[in-house]
This record gives sequence, structure tokens and C-alpha cells, in this order.
Amino acid sequence: AQKITQTQPGMFVQEKEAVTLDCTYDTSDQSYGLFWYKQPSSGEMIFLIYQGSYDEQNATEGRYSLNFQKARKSANLVISASQLGDSAMYFCAMREGYSGGGADGLTFGKGTHLIIQP
Amino acid sequence: NAGVTQTPKFRVLKTGQSMTLLCAQDMNHEYMYWYRQDPGMGLRLIHYSVGEGTTAKGEVPDGYNVSRLKKQNFLLGLESAAPSQTSVYFCASSPWDRVGSEAFFGQGTRLTVV
Repeated sequence: AQKITQTQPGMFVQEKEAVTLDCTYDTSDQSYGLFWYKQPSSGEMIFLIYQGSYDEQNATEGRYSLNFQKARKSANLVISASQLGDSAMYFCAMREGYSGGGADGLTFGKGTHLIIQP
Repeated sequence: NAGVTQTPKFRVLKTGQSMTLLCAQDMNHEYMYWYRQDPGMGLRLIHYSVGEGTTAKGEVPDGYNVSRLKKQNFLLGLESAAPSQTSVYFCASSPWDRVGSEAFFGQGTRLTVV
């Protein structure tokens, strides 16, 4: 079974609209971390936002927020007031605690290609 | 502040040739990783290291070897390249292994095996 599932291979959104990128995860650990990365066409991986499994509040970073629903194992990224520069691939990733040891890195979803239209 | 630097950025190999990808980080991080990115597959972990002199297999280790002789460097080797190894390779590092530890990525190496 996939540990990280991103069900939207591609999305088209009008500029200035809000965007929600879906991410569900699968783990038996109680302690884990969820990350979102952005990959523009230039190829680099840019860290956007982090949510810990024990964090009670949803994480926010500027225009990015993470809609964390623990019972549903969901960690959706919300981008408010989208901009043309938001066009990119977006990856959801997880670092597990006990079973994964945390040391063996991040497990990534397959990504969502977001295109912002003027 | 260079962060994570990968060398080379692009390479074309013939089937059966060997090569080494170099990853260098200047953040004194203990943990380093090699991922490959293929279209529609996301990033998959090849090998990782939890400290100088240690390495471990990730999800897709076959056909690759790694070494971490110095804390700041993590090398990925292809002994006999195959077309299936055509991919974009990313190196990353983390300061510790806690769940909240962000991974810092290099700029990637685009490898084509013909």
C-alpha cells in the first residue's frame, strides 16, 4: 500500500483563487511529520510547510496552510490567493517516527502538477 | 551559504559505463540521502546514511552503491549503467532524525543512459 497518496495528477486554477491539493497518508506510527515541497520547472525542491502529528493547530506559512485531519489521515495543502508563480509540481511527504526510525528520510507522494491560469 | 551541492548537473552515459555522483553539504548534517525522480513516480529513496562511515539501503537500491567517507560528502555510484537508470537524482541532508526534521535538497542531476 502506498504510504502517501496524491489523487490529483494535475490541476488548473484561475489566478487569485484558493487551491487545495489533496494528500492522504498511511502509517501505524503515533509520531510522524508531514511535509509539502514545491518543485518549479527549474527543478529544485523547495520546502513549504510542516505539520507534526502531535500539533494541535494546523500549520500556516504565509499563503500556505495545511489542513490536517488526523482521524482521516489527511494533510491537504491550501494555497490562498494563487499567483502565476505558484505553477509547479507539489509533493506531499512523510517522515515516520518509531517504525521508520525517522532516519530513513522522507516518503513522497507522486505529486500534483498545478497550473495557474491568468 | 551553498547548502547541498550536487556534481555534475547533467550527464549522458552509454550503457555499461560507470560514474559517480557527488553530493556535498556544508551544514554539518548527520543524515544524507539519495533519491531518484521519475515521471509520475515522485521521489524514491535509493540509499541513505545516518553518519560518516555508515550507509543503508532505501526503497530502490539495486544497481547503485554509495559511500560516506567524510561527513560532508555522500557519493552515489553506478557501476554498469542501464537505460532504466535514466532519471533525475537528488541528494538531500537533514540535521537529525526527528520526525520534524526538514530535508534540504540539492539542485538535482539529470542522468541519461543511452
